[in-house]
Amino acid sequence: NAGVTQTPKFRILKIGQSMTLQCTQDMNHNYMYWYRQDPGMGLKLIYYSVGAGITDKGEVPNGYNVSRSTTEDFPLRLELAAPSQTSVYFCASTEANAGANVLTFGAGSRLTVL
Amino acid sequence: QQQVKQSPQSLIVQKGGISIINCAYENTAFDYFPWYQQFPGKGPALLIAIRPDVSEKKEGRFTISFNKSAKQFSLHIMDSQPGDSATYFCAASPNTGNQFYFGTGTSLTVIP
Repeated sequence: NAGVTQTPKFRILKIGQSMTLQCTQDMNHNYMYWYRQDPGMGLKLIYYSVGAGITDKGEVPNGYNVSRSTTEDFPLRLELAAPSQTSVYFCASTEANAGANVLTFGAGSRLTVL
Repeated sequence: QQQVKQSPQSLIVQKGGISIINCAYENTAFDYFPWYQQFPGKGPALLIAIRPDVSEKKEGRFTISFNKSAKQFSLHIMDSQPGDSATYFCAASPNTGNQFYFGTGTSLTVIP
């Protein structure tokens, strides 16, 4: 029972480089989310998806892109990495039951941009 | 703009004591209020949740108190244990859609 799997767990990028954080869930959840966690700031929503082919911006989408070609996968793309993107990134998923969903989180991906 | 305000940022409690974390919100469209617990190096996990039709929900040593008129809710951890040392996030979700808005988190340390 894997749940939500994120890769890589750690990554160091140089300013201007690009990379993709991978997220896969095996629970057939329709809704998937990307959050970033910064000290003292809580969890901020970057992008979310309500199903394959549908994505939408969250609170802090600038500098990121997402795609949702399958129910299982929701990769987060960072273009032209900047030091402000140094953070811990969490992918989460839930069933489509409005108002009472349980978010299942992955273990996180720690990204450092130098 | 922080949709859910959480305090305190950090909390130190003696073993056996009561830990209290408070959250407040403004958006009256919120109708689901979960608390998540996060251990170092792990993702957050649902601890307990409440809907505004009840004023209190208890699960073991964990209790949510909800004040709809004040738009405030709090987490009480009774008989706090060192194993409860973690970061706690309150959150809120509206009655339409599936977005979750999180508080800034509280780092709880329970001293043996």
